Amino acid sequence: AQKVTQAQTEISVVEKEDVTLDCVYETRDTTYYLFWYKQPPSGELVFLIRRNSFDEQNEISGRYSWNFQKSTSSFNFTITASQVVDSAVYFCALSVNDYKLSFGAGTTVTVRA
Amino acid sequence: DTAVSQTPKYLVTQMGNDKSIKCEQNLGHDTMYWYKQDSKKFLKIMFSYNNKELIINETVPNRFSPKSPDKAHLNLHINSLELGDSAVYFCASSQDHLAPYNEQFFGPGTRLTVL
Repeated sequence: AQKVTQAQTEISVVEKEDVTLDCVYETRDTTYYLFWYKQPPSGELVFLIRRNSFDEQNEISGRYSWNFQKSTSSFNFTITASQVVDSAVYFCALSVNDYKLSFGAGTTVTVRA
Repeated sequence: DTAVSQTPKYLVTQMGNDKSIKCEQNLGHDTMYWYKQDSKKFLKIMFSYNNKELIINETVPNRFSPKSPDKAHLNLHINSLELGDSAVYFCASSQDHLAPYNEQFFGPGTRLTVL
């Protein structure tokens, strides 16, 4: 069975601070895919990034960066120089060959001006 | 153009009623999903259809019946609504269920409140 743990329930920061969201996953499959989604206060779910299990390269996209480490089964997400618009719930998710996304519980990020 | 749309956005109803939520995607995807998000924001898959055929049914009560008239539509019908059915229901689609690397595109959600 697949499992995704996001241990941080809520994080509150002041604008321009960096914030790192932790994601730890469990799976016995050797081929798997990791995702991050953002759910802003408006409620929709927005895809941010996908990583496959064979690609441990870190990725940077603007102020967002992701650190994938198979050795610790982690796929952490950092927002650099946070802004109020980054306030949202962020979900880490895992997909294997059972064709469904297993989501973590989500981390609520609040960025205060 | 909205990629994945759901109607209605809000649904308030009494216990025991039957209601439906409609979902349509214009992305040309083969696979559609229904997820339930509870009051603690936890997201869990309920169903998945690939080209009108059911491929995932996650031990959902049989009061919930998905219907896919064609691959662009996946509707969710709920009979005998209960208080515990109150949640936000998300529809999603992806290109191909045989490719778990495909990201899923989500609809805006339907907030169901059962009184």
